Amino acid sequence: ETGVTQTPRHLVMGMTNKKSLKCEQHLGHNAMYWYKQSAKKPLELMFVYSLEERVENNSVPSRFSPECPNSSHLFLHLHTLQPEDSALYLCASSPGENYGYTFGSGTRLTVV
Amino acid sequence: TQLLEQSPQFLSIQEGENLTVYCNSSSVFSSLQWYRQEPGEGPVLLVTVVTGGEVKKLKRLTFQFGDARKDSSLHITAAQPGDTGLYLCAGEGDSSASKIIFGSGTRLSIRP
Repeated sequence: ETGVTQTPRHLVMGMTNKKSLKCEQHLGHNAMYWYKQSAKKPLELMFVYSLEERVENNSVPSRFSPECPNSSHLFLHLHTLQPEDSALYLCASSPGENYGYTFGSGTRLTVV
Repeated sequence: TQLLEQSPQFLSIQEGENLTVYCNSSSVFSSLQWYRQEPGEGPVLLVTVVTGGEVKKLKRLTFQFGDARKDSSLHITAAQPGDTGLYLCAGEGDSSASKIIFGSGTRLSIRP
């Protein structure tokens, strides 16, 4: 248990489905992040929230929609995904600059 | 565009041997972090280095930040099977936490 909890751990969804990934942290961190990890590629930053405001959106397709209702929770809403979106989706939080991240265990997403 | 290159990509050695993995960039970073990731889990922060030339030790692991803050190395002494995993370096480029970038990782396997 790292202090950042992600659910579900595994998700299989069809291309026409709508699902949501959830991330929760009670570490008192101000910033939360969504990353995508695909085989043989570096971790790709998707979204950044700082103090519940989105501060970065790295040209992510609109079929991924983040939501940060409060400083402890972060969601990633998914709809009409493609098979190439299959990956490990990681949530992380950070207390500030130069402190590093605390990652969750990730959601292994498979789009069929 | 800032890039972090890690080498080697793969390393398989015998238990008890020493090893060094490298993280290099042409960009200057305000800090650099090392993480270890095991299968099915998120990366776990091992260390953050901030000052050029800084050396930090974590049991058998020694981390060094280059004098120019463009590169870093991780040295493991007397490797053990428990050291097996994916080692990731990540650089924080400026005052914004959203500028952290990750290398593609070194996959380390320690044979008993």
